[in-house]
Amino acid sequence: DTAVSQTPKYLVTQMGNDKSIKCEQNLGHDTMYWYKQDSKKFLKIMFSYNNKELIINETVPNRFSPKSPDKAHLNLHINSLELGDSAVYFCASSLRQGRSQNTEAFFGQGTRLTVV
Amino acid sequence: GQQLNQSPQSMFIQEGEDVSMNCTSSSIFNTWLWYKQDPGEGPVLLIALYKAGELTSNGRLTAQFGITRKDSFLNISASIPSDVGIYFCAGQTYSGAGSYQLTFGKGTKLSVIP
Repeated sequence: DTAVSQTPKYLVTQMGNDKSIKCEQNLGHDTMYWYKQDSKKFLKIMFSYNNKELIINETVPNRFSPKSPDKAHLNLHINSLELGDSAVYFCASSLRQGRSQNTEAFFGQGTRLTVV
Repeated sequence: GQQLNQSPQSMFIQEGEDVSMNCTSSSIFNTWLWYKQDPGEGPVLLIALYKAGELTSNGRLTAQFGITRKDSFLNISASIPSDVGIYFCAGQTYSGAGSYQLTFGKGTKLSVIP
């Protein structure tokens, strides 16, 4: 069984469109994240949610809006897509354990978004 | 913001050789993690380090968390073709409310020549 699953795996769309990426985790984790990986493979955090509450909101255009219907799901909606949004987007999740062990993040397979 | 310097950027080695890569930071992290990413896949956790000075092994992989909490290295012994991929170090900080933020290095791309 896939622990962190994202759909779709590939997404090709035109500039100006609105699109969503879905993420689900079956690990029973409390916190979910979105990371962006650019063309040079650099990974950077975008958002984190803990039990449906937004915790981290890095400097990301407000065209990007995460939505968490429950703690097992964190979707990413992107409005008015631009060419520069092309990247691989990774969903991840982690267990809440205070500040100690077993807090590492598990990643999904990624969604490769191409804006044309 | 925090930055991790990961080196080398890329490596070409013969099958059977040992590999070493490292990360340094200007900031202290509570946790250091090493991930591997295969093409078309997400990062997969290899080793997690929680205590300064900690040395941890996972099969042919060994990683250490520096005493100053500002650096870490990863060694792979007796490399095999399936070790090919991009290896990322990541420093983890607690952001509050059960959320942890990872700051990634830029990756080390490993190629293994059979």
